[in-house]
Amino acid sequence: AQSVAQPEDQVNVAEGNPLTVKCTYSVSGNPYLFWYVQYPNRGLQFLLKYITGDNLVKGSYGFEAEFNKSQTSFHLKKPSALVSDSALYFCAVRVGGGATNKLIFGTGTLLAVQP
Amino acid sequence: NAGVTQTPKFQVLKTGQSMTLQCAQDMNHNSMYWYRQDPGMGLRLIYYSASEGTTDKGEVPNGYNVSRLNKREFSLRLESAAPSQTSVYFCASGGDRVPYEQYFGPGTRLTVT
Repeated sequence: AQSVAQPEDQVNVAEGNPLTVKCTYSVSGNPYLFWYVQYPNRGLQFLLKYITGDNLVKGSYGFEAEFNKSQTSFHLKKPSALVSDSALYFCAVRVGGGATNKLIFGTGTLLAVQP
Repeated sequence: NAGVTQTPKFQVLKTGQSMTLQCAQDMNHNSMYWYRQDPGMGLRLIYYSASEGTTDKGEVPNGYNVSRLNKREFSLRLESAAPSQTSVYFCASGGDRVPYEQYFGPGTRLTVT
């Protein structure tokens, strides 16, 4: 079955420290992977994507993600966390094909950055 | 450029009442989607529309109906609301072609009492 797993409900990190939010996936074929961020009482905002090419993908707000095919992972990273990064983060993978393109989302990871 | 808009932002219904959630996009996307977000469950797809005139069920379609009115608009209807439909509802568009990313509206917070 096609799925996305975010094993941590919450990640706590001190401001200035590096952060990692984990994501693993299970999908047939080549994966198209995404990270979205949701601030309180807002919709989801696109952060970054992996389609093909370099395993390290750079996105908005200084975030990057590392694609690892052998471990079927797509972890979100940032070298130095900011308090303003505190939000809910979702990993997603595209499923379907042709005219049918759907995203399956993980359950989300709440990132809390302490000052 | 408004992107994806949704109305209303908030709604309280009594059990058995009906309502329609409206969604519109101005990005000329073929595909549109309705999701619900519940704590600990992430986003679950209710219905989607790959093009004007077509709709398909997602993961949790029971209790909902949709209408793809035209290319811009995709509405979600609750015919007889139940407390289990208390949730935050998001509309999205996009995903038509590489890189397949979707763009989300601000959401509708629905409470059914």
